[in-house]
Amino acid sequence: AQSVAQPEDQVNVAEGNPLTVKCTYSVSGNPYLFWYVQYPNRGLQFLLKYITGDNLVKGSYGFEAEFNKSQTSFHLKKPSALVSDSALYFCAVRDYYNQAGTALIFGKGTTLSVSS
Amino acid sequence: EAQVTQNPRYLITVTGKKLTVTCSQNMNHEYMSWYRQDPGLGLRQIYYSMNVEVTDKGDVPEGYKVSRKEKRNFPLILESPSPNQTSLYFCASSLSLGNQPQHFGDGTRLSIL
Repeated sequence: AQSVAQPEDQVNVAEGNPLTVKCTYSVSGNPYLFWYVQYPNRGLQFLLKYITGDNLVKGSYGFEAEFNKSQTSFHLKKPSALVSDSALYFCAVRDYYNQAGTALIFGKGTTLSVSS
Repeated sequence: EAQVTQNPRYLITVTGKKLTVTCSQNMNHEYMSWYRQDPGLGLRQIYYSMNVEVTDKGDVPEGYKVSRKEKRNFPLILESPSPNQTSLYFCASSLSLGNQPQHFGDGTRLSIL
C-alpha cells in the first residue's frame, strides 16, 4: 500500500536561513511525488513534482526538492527562507503502476514557521 | 482565470438535514476529486471521478454521495449528515489521473451539530 510520512509536525527557521521539510514515501512501483502548500483559508497550491529524470526538481517560489530512491525520500528545500513561506506543506505520492482508481496519498502536513 | 469553485465556503447545519456542496471547474479537466481534511490526518479522498458518469469510492466514502453529469461539475452530497462529518472539504481537479498536478478549490468548512 502507498504511504507518505512527514516526520515533523512543525519546522521553525529564521528568515534568510535554508529550510528543509522532510518527506519519505512507500510505494510498490515507481512513484510520482508532489509537494503542495496551503495558506490559511485557502486550498492547496501545487509547488513541484517529480516524475522521472533529474533527481533535483525545481518548483515555484524558489523551492526545490531532491528525490532519493535509495532512501525513499523527497525532501523540500529552499536556500533562503522568507517570512511569507510560513504555511502548511503537504507531500503526496501516487504509484506509477497503480494509477487506476488511486488518489494522491497525502502526508499529514508540516507547518513551516519562518521568523523575522 | 483557471479555477475550482466550491460553494458554500462555510456551513453550519444540524444532523440529518441533507446538504450539497457544489464544485465547478473551468479548465475542462477530466479528473475530479473530493477530499476531507482533518487535524493530524492530512487529506483523505472521499470520492473521485475519471470523467462524466464515471465515479468511484476513495478511502472514506461512507455517508457521502457524488454525481458527475457534466464535465465541469462534481457535487458532494451528504444525505443525512452526522457530527463526525464536521470537517474541511476540498474539491480538486486535474487534466488526467497520471502525473498532472491537482488544482484545489478554497475549501468548504462544514459543521454538523
